[in-house]
Amino acid sequence: GDSVTQMEGPVTLSEEAFLTINCTYTATGYPSLFWYVQYPGEGLQLLLKATKADDKGSNKGFEATYRKETTSFHLEKGSVQVSDSAVYFCALGFDTNAGKSTFGDGTTLTVKP
Amino acid sequence: GAVVSQHPSWVICKSGTSVKIECRSLDFQATTMFWYRQFPKQSLMLMATSNEGSKATYEQGVEKDKFLINHASLTLSTLTVTSAHPEDSSFYICSAQGTSGFGTDTGELFFGEGSRLTVL
Repeated sequence: GDSVTQMEGPVTLSEEAFLTINCTYTATGYPSLFWYVQYPGEGLQLLLKATKADDKGSNKGFEATYRKETTSFHLEKGSVQVSDSAVYFCALGFDTNAGKSTFGDGTTLTVKP
Repeated sequence: GAVVSQHPSWVICKSGTSVKIECRSLDFQATTMFWYRQFPKQSLMLMATSNEGSKATYEQGVEKDKFLINHASLTLSTLTVTSAHPEDSSFYICSAQGTSGFGTDTGELFFGEGSRLTVL
C-alpha cells in the first residue's frame, strides 16, 4: 500500500536557522504531494503542494520539490521564525479518492528565539 | 479558498453522555467529508468517510454504533460519540474534499479546526 515516511522529530532550531524536514513516499500511481502544518490546538492547514514530478510547491518561505526519481518531497526553509513552531505532516493524495490520503507521522518543529 | 469550520473546538463531558461535533463547509459544497482521530504526538487516524445522503463508510476497527456519522446536507456532517468514556478522549478532526475548482483535481483536503473531547 501507499506510505509516507518523514523525518522523526522533534526538531529544535534557533531563529533564522535553515530547516529541512525529509519526506519520502511509496505509492501506486501518480499522487499529488502535500505538506500540511498543524499549529498547537488547531486542525491542519495546507502549507504547500505539488501535483506532478519536478513541480515545486512554495508558501510562506517554505519550499518542497516533487522528486519522482528519489520519491521524495523534502520541506525546506532558509530562515525559520519562532512562529513556524508547529507540527508538519507530509502527505500524498489522489484526485479520485482524497480521503485515502496517506499522512506521515508528523515532525514537531520548535524554533527558539 | 475553501473553509471548513468545526464546532465545538473543545468539550468536556461526563462518562456515559453523548457528544455531537459538527463539521461545516462554509463556502463550498462538500459531497464527501472525512473524520479523523488524533492522539497526542501522533498522526491522523482516518475513522470514516461521510457521504452526503448515504451511510458513512467506517475504517476497520472503528465502531459505527459508537461513532455515529450523519451527512444530511452538502455543507454539514456530524460526528456523535455515543455513551462516551474516558478512552474516547481525543482530538477529532474533520476534513472535506472540495468540489470543482476547490482542489478536487489534486486530492487536497480542507480541514476543520479540530475538536478536543475530554470525557471525565
